[in-house]
Amino acid sequence: DADVTQTPRNRITKTGKRIMLECSQTKGHDRMYWYRQDPGLGLQLIYYSFDVKDINKGEISDGYSVSRQAQAKFSLSLESAIPNQTALYFCATSDPVWGGMSFGPGTRLLVL
Amino acid sequence: QQQVKQSPQSLIVQKGGISIINCAYENTAFDYFPWYQQFPGKGPALLIAIRPDVSEKKEGRFTISFNKSAKQFSLHIMDSQPGDSATYFCAASDFGNEKLTFGTGTRLTIIP
Repeated sequence: DADVTQTPRNRITKTGKRIMLECSQTKGHDRMYWYRQDPGLGLQLIYYSFDVKDINKGEISDGYSVSRQAQAKFSLSLESAIPNQTALYFCATSDPVWGGMSFGPGTRLLVL
Repeated sequence: QQQVKQSPQSLIVQKGGISIINCAYENTAFDYFPWYQQFPGKGPALLIAIRPDVSEKKEGRFTISFNKSAKQFSLHIMDSQPGDSATYFCAASDFGNEKLTFGTGTRLTIIP
């Protein structure tokens, strides 16, 4: 079983709709992240959480919100989706001991 | 402001050749430099990482070279194979912080 899972894997939505992307991890890590990937731009940090009570904005948080429901669960919401939020979204966790980051398989989002 | 600059954007190498991808960073607080490999439809996966106390780290056919004074680091793939065809991302962070800043990616194609 995958250590970091994301649902859904693909989503098509319309402008103005609210959508939620979910992430679960079985690695037991406290630290979780949401990244967005666009061609030619690499991965940009949206939000991150170092424990259940800690939520921090990343480089590109505008238009997004997150919820850390438990150590293992970290959700990303688009309150009112717009076409330029069409991208590949990745959830990740990190190990504070060796610093390695583990990514989920990604959610491909298309906003029409 | 792009804190980690990666080049080239794409690279084609013959099988058996050496693939070289370069990155430069600006933030002198960065002290952890990983490389990630991403195959189509998958999340990035940690390939190899280096701390600035060494100038080179080798794992199999993959080597990171690090130049602290120039604030540059590079990935060398020796004896490149078609299975190495993927997108490679360099990244950097303040190790205690673990928020990775990524380069824009290099799409590597190994041709027979």
